[in-house]
Amino acid sequence: AQTVTQSQPEMSVQEAETVTLSCTYDTSESDYYLFWYKQPPSRQMILVIRQEAYKQQNATENRFSVNFQKAAKSFSLKISDSQLGDAAMYFCAYRSALKTSGSRLTFGEGTQLTVNP
Amino acid sequence: DTGVSQDPRHKITKRGQNVTFRCDPISEHNRLYWYRQTLGQGPEFLTYFQNEAQLEKSRLLSDRFSAERPKGSFSTLEIQRTEQGDSAMYLCASSQTGQGVAPLHFGNGTRLTVT
Repeated sequence: AQTVTQSQPEMSVQEAETVTLSCTYDTSESDYYLFWYKQPPSRQMILVIRQEAYKQQNATENRFSVNFQKAAKSFSLKISDSQLGDAAMYFCAYRSALKTSGSRLTFGEGTQLTVNP
Repeated sequence: DTGVSQDPRHKITKRGQNVTFRCDPISEHNRLYWYRQTLGQGPEFLTYFQNEAQLEKSRLLSDRFSAERPKGSFSTLEIQRTEQGDSAMYLCASSQTGQGVAPLHFGNGTRLTVT
């Protein structure tokens, strides 16, 4: 079974600064997908960024980018130019590429990000 | 696209009572998922449907839990004889197959409190 670990329960950053959230995972599979989801307080979870394991290039979405290290099984999220609206719980998630997995996600424990003005 | 909607948003019930939650996925999505999230934790997979077929159930889904998606559209999750340990946020998500890495779209969840 796959596991996802987020070792930082809480992180804080000053507005306009950069912060990196860590995520490691364990799997015996070679093909899979990784995601970062954001869950603001009392609001629905939304997708921030995704990475296909077969792609060597790190994914980027505007101010959000990842550092994907397949051999190390590490998948960190970098938020540049942090904004107050980035404050949320961030979850790292794994999805197997096997069709039998049904696209279900395995989530980490989450990192609560605070953005200080 | 009105998103995934869940009803009710909050439910308070006494231990031993039955509760039922509803999820309406995004209309063109054929996959529907139920997750449970306890305070300060990541969501845990419970079950998923492809159209009306329930294809997988987690070991977390005890015999007191049942989920249905009778016409491949909305889904219901019923918990019988609720226990205090059932208190959690129940999240529904949907996705569409055939779109590569189709992301899951989540609803706002139903927060269950068992007293």
